[in-house]
Amino acid sequence: GQQLNQSPQSMFIQEGEDVSMNCTSSSIFNTWLWYKQDPGEGPVLLIALYKAGELTSNGRLTAQFGITRKDSFLNISASIPSDVGIYFCAGLPVDQGGKLIFGQGTELSVKP
Amino acid sequence: NAGVTQTPKFQVLKTGQSMTLQCAQDMNHNSMYWYRQDPGMGLRLIYYSASEGTTDKGEVPNGYNVSRLNKREFSLRLESAAPSQTSVYFCASSPRSGSFGTNYGYTFGSGTRLTVV
Repeated sequence: GQQLNQSPQSMFIQEGEDVSMNCTSSSIFNTWLWYKQDPGEGPVLLIALYKAGELTSNGRLTAQFGITRKDSFLNISASIPSDVGIYFCAGLPVDQGGKLIFGQGTELSVKP
Repeated sequence: NAGVTQTPKFQVLKTGQSMTLQCAQDMNHNSMYWYRQDPGMGLRLIYYSASEGTTDKGEVPNGYNVSRLNKREFSLRLESAAPSQTSVYFCASSPRSGSFGTNYGYTFGSGTRLTVV
């Protein structure tokens, strides 16, 4: 089936550092979403992107919908310990009947 | 609080046993989904229900069945559990499947951690 390639798979950073992760696909997507999963919980929506080129912020988080509609990135500025978790990208392909496709996740660890 | 409620939170089964995972949402969403999460593989769609009365297979449906009992409830059944079904299962809902508007985004439950021994 169709897949999203999310990278990196894991990151170990120092508190205060900036973080960047991205997702790419071989197909065009209509929507890009970024989720965060805290340990023992379900994913929670962070940012939703609906138009190519769109740049959206949510506090210290910024995400962009790539111009080619085949990629998206998420940046976290000035990381803090509570940023720890797994971040998932998700995309809505043009030809998948409205079902989201999820990336493999980026596990973020923040050292105080 | 409004959201998606999953039960049970934890379950241990013996190989061959059956069980049903329950999911209910109170947001009046039309579409509901079942995913499984395994290390390094992200979230994989098992089954989904675009609207009440309809269900369709996702990426990994083998060994599972679903029932959309009403608009609120969507259950996942394992008829004969196998160790390969050890996973974390998430239910999710959305206003409607395939929406291109600004109210898309799935809401997830907190998961059911299933171990099959």
